[in-house]
Amino acid sequence: GQNIDQPTEMTATEGAIVQINCTYQTSGFNGLFWYQQHAGEAPTFLSYNVLDGLEEKGRFSSFLSRSKGYSYLLLKELQMKDSASYLCAGMDSNYQLIWGAGTKLIIKP
Amino acid sequence: DADVTQTPRNRITKTGKRIMLECSQTKGHDRMYWYRQDPGLGLRLIYYSFDVKDINKGEISDGYSVSRQAQAKFSLSLESAIPNQTALYFCATSDFGRAPNNEQFFGPGTRLTVL
Repeated sequence: GQNIDQPTEMTATEGAIVQINCTYQTSGFNGLFWYQQHAGEAPTFLSYNVLDGLEEKGRFSSFLSRSKGYSYLLLKELQMKDSASYLCAGMDSNYQLIWGAGTKLIIKP
Repeated sequence: DADVTQTPRNRITKTGKRIMLECSQTKGHDRMYWYRQDPGLGLRLIYYSFDVKDINKGEISDGYSVSRQAQAKFSLSLESAIPNQTALYFCATSDFGRAPNNEQFFGPGTRLTVL
């Protein structure tokens, strides 16, 4: 079956670094996405990885290991506005997204 | 202006009523999707459409139907609403082929409550 696992909730301190992990199992693989979703709002795209390695985009970086079925999202210099849910999604062989339940990130001052 | 719009944004209805949620996009994308989101669960795909003539069931299509009236419009209907269809509904679009990653763009969501 297809499955995406990520922690339900994480807490971090403003200015610190946090890593959100995701493991995936999809029928075929056409990439791994991270989206950010503030409460009651639409998900917005953060990053896409299809090859192994680290993709850096400002304060956010995303890593992929295809052999391990593993990805992480790294957020640096945390700001209060980063309090949100972070959704991991794997794209299967039919180019459909399989979504995790999301990780709620709580930032404390 | 929003690229993907949904109407209504909020709706309260009663069990047994027929409800239609509408989605429009100005992005020129060929693919459109309907998802529902429940607390503690991931986004679940209800229906998706690759073009006007291509409609496909998703993971949880029972109790729902869709219509792709034009490339820019994709409507979701609940023929006879029931309380467990209370959820946040999202429409999304993507442009397979032009976008290297088939990224999906989401509308603002419709919060539906069935009493």
